[in-house]
Amino acid sequence: KNQVEQSPQSLIILEGKNCTLQCNYTVSPFSNLRWYKQDTGRGPVSLTIMTFSENTKSNGRYTATLDADTKQSSLHITASQLSDSASYICVVSSGGGADGLTFGKGTHLIIQP
Amino acid sequence: DGGITQSPKYLFRKEGQNVTLSCEQNLNHDAMYWYRQDPGQGLRLIYYSQIVNDFQKGDIAEGYSVSREKKESFPLTVTSAQKNPTAFYLCASSVRARETQYFGPGTRLLVL
Repeated sequence: KNQVEQSPQSLIILEGKNCTLQCNYTVSPFSNLRWYKQDTGRGPVSLTIMTFSENTKSNGRYTATLDADTKQSSLHITASQLSDSASYICVVSSGGGADGLTFGKGTHLIIQP
Repeated sequence: DGGITQSPKYLFRKEGQNVTLSCEQNLNHDAMYWYRQDPGQGLRLIYYSQIVNDFQKGDIAEGYSVSREKKESFPLTVTSAQKNPTAFYLCASSVRARETQYFGPGTRLLVL
């Protein structure tokens, strides 16, 4: 069964600090991995998409990494801002299934001033 | 103003009542999707449509129905058969199936 596990479930950090969110997956076959940001009460917004051959991809202060051998991905946030408070969802595409997607439960990040 | 819209933002359902959630997109996307999000859970697929006049059941289709008469519109009806409808409902679209999805702002459904 395809699964995506995210850790930690929740995280609180001070404004200006860095943090790293983890995503481990057991999805086969692997097509790509996406990170989404979801503000409270809003729809998710895509941050990055990574294919098998990509190790790192950046989007401003967000940097995603992918290790296809160990089936792990991370999302690093640099110099956090209050607006980074949100849930971050890891989504892995297998190219199979109804929509070919397996969603993680998300990491709830809170940035404190 | 391009994008994907959902309405209403909040919806209240009485026992035994059917309610319909609206989803519209002007992105010219072929594929559209409905997801349900519960606290502490990942998004779960209810229905999806790869093209006009065609749709497929997702993982939790029981108690729900959809139609896709127009490319721009993919309404979701929550029927009285859905015994636990309270959730946050998200509509999404993509250029084609299994490509990057763009999500609407969501509709929160509550039962009175």
